[in-house]
Amino acid sequence: AQKVTQTQTSISVMEKTTVTMDCVYETQDSSYFLFWYKQTASGEIVFLIRQDSYKKENATVGHYSLNFQKPKSSIGLIITATQIEDSAVYFCAMREGQGGRALIFGTGTTVSVSP
Amino acid sequence: EAAVTQSPRNKVTVTGGNVTLSCRQTNSHNYMYWYRQDTGHGLRLIHYSYGAGNLQIGDVPDGYKATRTTQEDFFLLLELASPSQTSLYFCASSDMREVFFGKGTRLTVV
Repeated sequence: AQKVTQTQTSISVMEKTTVTMDCVYETQDSSYFLFWYKQTASGEIVFLIRQDSYKKENATVGHYSLNFQKPKSSIGLIITATQIEDSAVYFCAMREGQGGRALIFGTGTTVSVSP
Repeated sequence: EAAVTQSPRNKVTVTGGNVTLSCRQTNSHNYMYWYRQDTGHGLRLIHYSYGAGNLQIGDVPDGYKATRTTQEDFFLLLELASPSQTSLYFCASSDMREVFFGKGTRLTVV
């Protein structure tokens, strides 16, 4: 069975610094997709970045990047040059590659960015 | 732009009442999902569908029915609502790589 675990409940950082969030996953599939989403204060869930399991290169989008360590079943999210508006709940999610399976989510990490 | 529209955005109902939550996507995606979000649990999958007429059971299906009438429309039905179903509900649609969420429906069962 697939499982996604985020052990960090909350993280506080100063503006313009770097924050790193952890996520580990469990799957029996050889092909899968890993996602990070952000939930804003209004409740909206916004897609941030995706890592395909067969790609060795870490994905990067804007000031978001991933630390994909496949042997450790780990997919960390790194946010550089944080801004106040990066304060949100961040969810890690996984989707196995066969037949359109649903996203399975971790429990989220709350990030607070202070000026 | 990808769009998933949920209605209503807020709903209050009484215990034992009937509630239908609606979701429409204009992304031409085959897959649609219903999740509920509760503090401490993240998002949990209720039901999902591969296409019109198809329904798959998720991880927390008890007390919920769902129906996919067209590729665009996916409904979540609570036929005997209970206070334990008070939650924030999200609909999503996807192809193999992209998953897009609606803005959520906040349901309160009193």
